[in-house]
Amino acid sequence: GAGVSQSPSNKVTEKGKDVELRCDPISGHTALYWYRQSLGQGLEFLIYFQGNSAPDKSGLPSDRFSAERTGGSVSTLTIQRTQQEDSAVYLCASSPRGASNTEAFFGQGTRLTVV
Amino acid sequence: GENVEQHPSTLSVQEGDSAVIKCTYSDSASNYFPWYKQELGKGPQLIIDIRSNVGEKKDQRIAVTLNKTAKHFSLHITETQPEDSAVYFCAASGLFSGGYNKLIFGAGTRLAVHP
Repeated sequence: GAGVSQSPSNKVTEKGKDVELRCDPISGHTALYWYRQSLGQGLEFLIYFQGNSAPDKSGLPSDRFSAERTGGSVSTLTIQRTQQEDSAVYLCASSPRGASNTEAFFGQGTRLTVV
Repeated sequence: GENVEQHPSTLSVQEGDSAVIKCTYSDSASNYFPWYKQELGKGPQLIIDIRSNVGEKKDQRIAVTLNKTAKHFSLHITETQPEDSAVYFCAASGLFSGGYNKLIFGAGTRLAVHP
């Protein structure tokens, strides 16, 4: 596609339920990032993928959070047993390659609300 | 790890005035400094970036300066217009051992340009 696509754009879920967030990166981009943006805050790094592998998972807040990427393309971020503090906008970004500091292109994000 | 501080958190200017946003970073190995603009309901978009081998870069009304010794960089917007109103994020990154750039973001500056 023309840009990074995320779905759903909005998700309201009950506390304790599991949610899956999806990211379709720009075609051909090998690097993929997930960030979390809480209300009025900056972007918090969650996880990085190079191809299908995740060399950096250091930002995942707890073991309730996991992510995978298949076929070097689509990625899903899964949050199990959601808590109210998980409410935030989850942003995905992709870039042509991981090295040499290239521009990261962001999707519009998924706004997650845990009630 | 890298830490990025951004000031001010909010900035209000009159149309036509200049706006300056400042950031400091902690990791002297960082060598890539992008600035992103985020409009309401959208993902961040790159507006300008600078690499550590230059001290200043300009693109029409936007300029960025970098002082590696002091570890700070700034965004300058001249002749501000109402459409410049948005949240601006600075970021810093360097090559990690896995050969990728992990962007660490500042907390953001909400810029309001009043007609």
